[in-house]
Amino acid sequence: DQQVKQNSPSLSVQEGRISILNCDYTNSMFDYFLWYKKYPAEGPTFLISISSIKDKNEDGRFTVFLNKSAKHLSLHIVPSQPGDSAVYFCAAEVQGAQKLVFGQGTRLTINP
Amino acid sequence: DAGVTQSPTHLIKTRGQHVTLRCSPISGHKSVSWYQQVLGQGPQFIFQYYEKEERGRGNFPDRFSARQFPNYSSELNVNALLLGDSALYLCASSLTETQYFGPGTRLLVL
Repeated sequence: DQQVKQNSPSLSVQEGRISILNCDYTNSMFDYFLWYKKYPAEGPTFLISISSIKDKNEDGRFTVFLNKSAKHLSLHIVPSQPGDSAVYFCAAEVQGAQKLVFGQGTRLTINP
Repeated sequence: DAGVTQSPTHLIKTRGQHVTLRCSPISGHKSVSWYQQVLGQGPQFIFQYYEKEERGRGNFPDRFSARQFPNYSSELNVNALLLGDSALYLCASSLTETQYFGPGTRLLVL
């Protein structure tokens, strides 16, 4: 029962363009969503989060959009930089439960 | 500020052995969670501890256990290791909603 899904295993984007990573969830109880970036041999690094009371949150080059009716969220990175090349995980939880449910990850490659 | 630290970084064990993994949270964080990540998948929740009490448990067998100490550090114990326990074990700490992860312990069971 995959409650959080990232349907694209990989994504390749040219440097300077926009990267859009997508995530779908099935559990309507989820009300807090996070994106993490992971380099090989390191733990996941927190990028940005959004509560279900919002539909958009921005932090520098990163913006997360939440569409509750579609149970869909996306991460936009603009402009994309070579250092953004990593695996990106979407995660969701019921606020306060401290139990993150992760997607399978999307490997983002930024080409020069 | 120091982030979440975990030890050891790598470990090789044989089937049937037991293992203890350690985690020190970010200073001031009272909640510690453990996750298992196998190759090609996202991390899976194992345990959450807050103020030395277990607050959540994932779908893992009783061979997995954990505890949290008065200084909020934590240990994850796995008994009777199986080949399928080979994975990256991640510890995360939090003060409020956002969990911050350590670098992980890579366990290989032969």
